Amino acid sequence: DIQMTQSPSSLSASVGDRVTITCQASQDISNYLNWYQQKPGKAPKLLIYDASNLETGVPSRFSGSGSGTDFTFTISSLQPEDIATYYCQQYDNLPQTFGQGTKVEIK
Amino acid sequence: EVQLVESGGGLVQPGGSLRLSCAASGFTFSSYDMHWVRQATGKGLEWVSAIGTAGDTYYPGSVKGRFTISRENAKNSLYLQMNSLRAGDTAVYYCARSRTGSFDYWGQGTLVTVSS
Repeated sequence: DIQMTQSPSSLSASVGDRVTITCQASQDISNYLNWYQQKPGKAPKLLIYDASNLETGVPSRFSGSGSGTDFTFTISSLQPEDIATYYCQQYDNLPQTFGQGTKVEIK
Repeated sequence: EVQLVESGGGLVQPGGSLRLSCAASGFTFSSYDMHWVRQATGKGLEWVSAIGTAGDTYYPGSVKGRFTISRENAKNSLYLQMNSLRAGDTAVYYCARSRTGSFDYWGQGTLVTVSS
């Protein structure tokens, strides 16, 4: 199985800060990488697909980059409504696997 | 509007069985691969099963041989038959629509608790 390692596991930042989360795959997954946002008690929501494509309706402050084994997710200016846990997910190989999540809080 | 509504969760004893359902609406159900993803309380996401438009099925090792995914296109419904349940299967189970490898729509989830 492909292991997805996210870092950090949690972070605290101020409103307006730039926030960066990384996701490393245990083998080359090309750009078969998605990012999700999950707010407490809610289902995950797709934000970025194929490493760098913004899902329709998602604010442009969210972005993704990377290919191969190393990927980055960025919130350019953190907003209060961005408080959530963020997950990466690979779909290059079955079983599809997720990172362990990054919890984002407001400082 | 795309909607996915899960049902069938509940409390079951270890070794027992449960069947989850997911009612889909707002899209052509038969044209999409569908998945189940679960999340134990306070934990991360775990992919549980997938079914393609042709009825082909896929499972991770953790549930293979115990869980069966199926679909009934005429009823716009997805199912997950879970047998030989263990405490480690306790989780919220989500159904999700797949669009080229991404899960673009999710249901609200149904809680399965395996306990004596």
